[in-house]
Amino acid sequence: AQTVTQSQPEMSVQEAETVTLSCTYDTSENNYYLFWYKQPPSRQMILVIRQEAYKQQNATENRFSVNFQKAAKSFSLKISDSQLGDTAMYFCAFMRGGTSGSRLTFGEGTQLTVNP
Amino acid sequence: GAVVSQHPSRVICKSGTSVKIECRSLDFQATTMFWYRQFPKKSLMLMATSNEGSKATYEQGVEKDKFLINHASLTLSTLTVTSAHPEDSSFYICSARDAGSKGDEQYFGPGTRLTVT
Repeated sequence: AQTVTQSQPEMSVQEAETVTLSCTYDTSENNYYLFWYKQPPSRQMILVIRQEAYKQQNATENRFSVNFQKAAKSFSLKISDSQLGDTAMYFCAFMRGGTSGSRLTFGEGTQLTVNP
Repeated sequence: GAVVSQHPSRVICKSGTSVKIECRSLDFQATTMFWYRQFPKKSLMLMATSNEGSKATYEQGVEKDKFLINHASLTLSTLTVTSAHPEDSSFYICSARDAGSKGDEQYFGPGTRLTVT
């Protein structure tokens, strides 16, 4: 079974600064995807960024980037130029690849607060 | 982009009654839908995987007779909480996998807050 661990229950950052959220996972699979989801106070889950395990290049989406260390099974999220709207719960998630209808396994989440 | 809706967004029901929550994929076909439960400030807990035209697969510890799931079409899955009790009060979220996408991406509904009095 896969497990996803987020060791930072809460973090805060000043507006315009950079923050990194940590995530580690455990799996024996070789083909998988990793995701970061954002859940703002509205509770709508929003996909922030995704990474295919077979890709060595780290994914980036505007101010969001990941540091994917496959051997270490680490998948951290870096948010640059933090904005007040980034305040949310962030979940790291794992999905096996190659199987139709694969389930997501979520970490426990990190509550990020961006302070003005 | 792919949109998933849930109805109702909020529901209050009396203990002992049943309540149905609908999850619809609005602009894509979803062969697989997932139902999650989320407690305040906690992560999403997968309850069951719903495949169109077949029986749902329930996670360990989830009572299939209490949480009835039906996925009768490629755009609609329903979760019925039968004989609801106050401990069933929670936030329920569905997600749908786009059958036409290559990346196994799931799209989430906005959630339904259930309060059982």
